[in-house]
Amino acid sequence: NAGVTQTPKFQVLKTGQSMTLQCAQDMNHNSMYWYRQDPGMGLRLIYYSASEGTTDKGEVPNGYNVSRLNKREFSLRLESAAPSQTSVYFCASQSWGGDSPLHFGNGTRLTVT
Amino acid sequence: RKEVEQDPGPFNVPEGATVAFNCTYSNSASQSFFWYRQDCRKEPKLLMSVYSSGNEDGRFTAQLNRASQYISLLIRDSKLSDSATYLCVVTSNSGNTPLVFGKGTRLSVIA
Repeated sequence: NAGVTQTPKFQVLKTGQSMTLQCAQDMNHNSMYWYRQDPGMGLRLIYYSASEGTTDKGEVPNGYNVSRLNKREFSLRLESAAPSQTSVYFCASQSWGGDSPLHFGNGTRLTVT
Repeated sequence: RKEVEQDPGPFNVPEGATVAFNCTYSNSASQSFFWYRQDCRKEPKLLMSVYSSGNEDGRFTAQLNRASQYISLLIRDSKLSDSATYLCVVTSNSGNTPLVFGKGTRLSVIA
């Protein structure tokens, strides 16, 4: 019963490097989300995908791109990492969007030096 | 006014105490409300949904007050294991985020 799986768990990047954070869910959920969480800031939405084939910007999309590869997978890409992107990243899924609760992955702890 | 506001705490309470948190929201059209629990350096986990009539799950009771636009979480007979940050979540009035999270209230239950 995996739920939402994120990889990697930890990553250290140098400024300017690129990487992709992977997220997969096995609950047949329609909607998927990427959040970042910084101390004292709470969870902030980066991008979301209401359904397969659609993606939308959240509150803090700059510096990120996403791909909803299929219903199960939603990846987040940092094209040129910056120290300001040092954060904990959480992927989440939601069964039918709108008003149902979110289910989170374990998170990816990213440090950009 | 922020969309969702919570007292950050910390609330330091002894074991066995009853503690309550409130969360105010600005979107009068919000239809869905949740309480999440987040342990240090872990992912948020759904604690309970909040229904219009109020609902209870063991030692936890959630209430919704639409007139005053707040939700509450009551924890009875606090356990050491209840120590965590409690996040309030409501439907957003912003077009670019379906749900909005409060910054959380930190609870520390002390032996």
